[in-house]
Amino acid sequence: SYNLTQPPSVSVSPGQTARITCSGDALPKQYVFWYQQKPGQAPFLVIYKDIKRPSGIPERFSGSTSGTTVTLTISGVQAEDEADYFCQSADSTGNFPYVFGTGTKVTVL
Amino acid sequence: EVQLVQSGAEVKKPGESLKISCKGSGYSFSNYWIAWVRQTPGKGLEYMGMIYPGDSDIRYRPSFQGQVTLSADRSINTAYMQWRSLGASDSGMYYCARIEGSVTFMGDAFDVWGQGTMVNVSS
Repeated sequence: SYNLTQPPSVSVSPGQTARITCSGDALPKQYVFWYQQKPGQAPFLVIYKDIKRPSGIPERFSGSTSGTTVTLTISGVQAEDEADYFCQSADSTGNFPYVFGTGTKVTVL
Repeated sequence: EVQLVQSGAEVKKPGESLKISCKGSGYSFSNYWIAWVRQTPGKGLEYMGMIYPGDSDIRYRPSFQGQVTLSADRSINTAYMQWRSLGASDSGMYYCARIEGSVTFMGDAFDVWGQGTMVNVSS
């Protein structure tokens, strides 16, 4: 199997910066996608191909990569950003496609 | 508006069969892969498999092969997932999601999601 590891939780005050990491051995070779999921709702794509923002996603959401760790950064966090965030990627061989991370709960204090 | 609308919540007994649906609108349904994803408290989000409605090409995640059957009826823009015999471990929230653009079968964006179908299997 292939695993993507995220911290269980991140807490941040309004207006501050939240950083959510996702670690996996194949991340230098595979794109990462990030999803936001609010309670009772389906996941929603916020970052694709490591750093790209879909149309309509606020600029405060950004992605970055560094070796086997990728980071979703939310700058100037707002109360509406409180949600679970999941990364998604694949192993280097393609034997384990569309693997989701363990998820990070972002709490806005 | 591009959207996927799924069938409603289900309560079933072990051993019963079930077929849930995912209807697309606002785009060319036949030309995009549809993936199915299960979400449970214990295992999180799990990709189960995907289908291309245009020609019903199907890929299953090995751990779900034989456990579920994917199908699609492009004439009514609807994808399906069915079980022949449910077990308690099949309980969970099931999402369908559109895969955006050219598919690599490794890492691709799930750019549109259905609202989910909750399945509860209990005796």
